[in-house]
Amino acid sequence: NAGVTQTPKFQVLKTGQSMTLQCAQDMNHNSMYWYRQDPGMGLRLIYYSASEGTTDKGEVPNGYNVSRLNKREFSLRLESAAPSQTSVYFCASNRDRGRYEQYFGPGTRLTVT
Amino acid sequence: KNEVEQSPQNLTAQEGEFITINCSYSVGISALHWLQQHPGGGIVSLFMLSSGKKKHGRLIATINIQEKHSSLHITASHPRDSAVYICASTKETSGSRLTFGEGTQLTVNP
Repeated sequence: NAGVTQTPKFQVLKTGQSMTLQCAQDMNHNSMYWYRQDPGMGLRLIYYSASEGTTDKGEVPNGYNVSRLNKREFSLRLESAAPSQTSVYFCASNRDRGRYEQYFGPGTRLTVT
Repeated sequence: KNEVEQSPQNLTAQEGEFITINCSYSVGISALHWLQQHPGGGIVSLFMLSSGKKKHGRLIATINIQEKHSSLHITASHPRDSAVYICASTKETSGSRLTFGEGTQLTVNP
């Protein structure tokens, strides 16, 4: 099993450009999450999907959109990138809502200039 | 005040030392998670606990629900334990969403 995979690993964007971060899991998990990690701030939840067909905002959703394409895939889109979105982005998944450990992808390091 | 507070922020130890990282949380939780992030950036779940104590190899995690406090202990520390250790909580009211502490950077010197 690959676990949680993310593409790309690195990306540099210019302000105003758009891009989609891809995430897939092969563990048949129901719930998936997108986090960003910034120095001194810890990990913060951007969006999550408790189950296929549902998405909800987390702590810092502004400037992002998500799509739960199917049970395996959960994508994060930046429509018009801003320097404040320079961060490391992690996708995670777990079996279901409730007390289940989360499995993280390797991260995408995004720089917006 | 953050809902999840960790201490210390940075910790340097000599190989073989016993290490303790602390985590306090301010609201009712359904579970407390300890995660490890290596210099390469990957994040791995070490423990998820809602009461008592769990042990895996040289790692021990404890939680005191009444005091809203958890500790992560590393016995016989080794340079390969050098990483960022992150505490996170799952609130009773938020399903499986995690709230994270800022992490503790641990460096173990040979």
